[in-house]
Amino acid sequence: AQRVTQPEKLLSVFKGAPVELKCNYSYSGSPELFWYVQYSRQRLQLLLRHISRESIKGFTADLNKGETSFHLKKPFAQEEDSAMYYCAATSYNTDKLIFGTGTRLQVFP
Amino acid sequence: DAGVTQSPTHLIKTRGQQVTLRCSPKSGHDTVSWYQQALGQGPQFIFQYYEEEERQRGNFPDRFSGHQFPNYSSELNVNALLLGDSALYLCASSLGNYNSPLHFGNGTRLTVT
Repeated sequence: AQRVTQPEKLLSVFKGAPVELKCNYSYSGSPELFWYVQYSRQRLQLLLRHISRESIKGFTADLNKGETSFHLKKPFAQEEDSAMYYCAATSYNTDKLIFGTGTRLQVFP
Repeated sequence: DAGVTQSPTHLIKTRGQQVTLRCSPKSGHDTVSWYQQALGQGPQFIFQYYEEEERQRGNFPDRFSGHQFPNYSSELNVNALLLGDSALYLCASSLGNYNSPLHFGNGTRLTVT
């Protein structure tokens, strides 16, 4: 069965520290991977997708097919990065976006 | 562009009742997906509508049904409500491609007492 796992419910760091939010997936075929973010009192929104290979707000994510991971990274965390982050995956043959349980990132000043 | 809009924002129902939630997609989007998000959990896929038909369905009972109208708006219906149906219900719209990013509404908070 398709599954997205985010092992950490909460990640707390200080401003300026590096951040890595972990995501592992279990999917047959070639999945498409996404990171969505929900800031306080805002709706869930797309942060980045692996096929775009772009950096958004300083965040990057590399798809590692060998480890079936899509970890989200940022070298220097900012207070405004505090939010709920969800990893999600879909594939051509399933055509539905499956979410992980989310990781809350807290960045302290 | 107002983006994805959902109504109502909050709803309180009693066990056994029926509820209808509504969603208007982002302009230009033709696909609507519904998700259930329980407290502390990630969004769980309920189903997806495209061209007025249910195209994909998650692991939800038949009590959960939906509809898509010719203007692409959508409804989610839940019959015989259970306490466990209390959750935030999210609507998301997208283009028809499987890897098209989802645009979410603010959700409807359903409380079943």
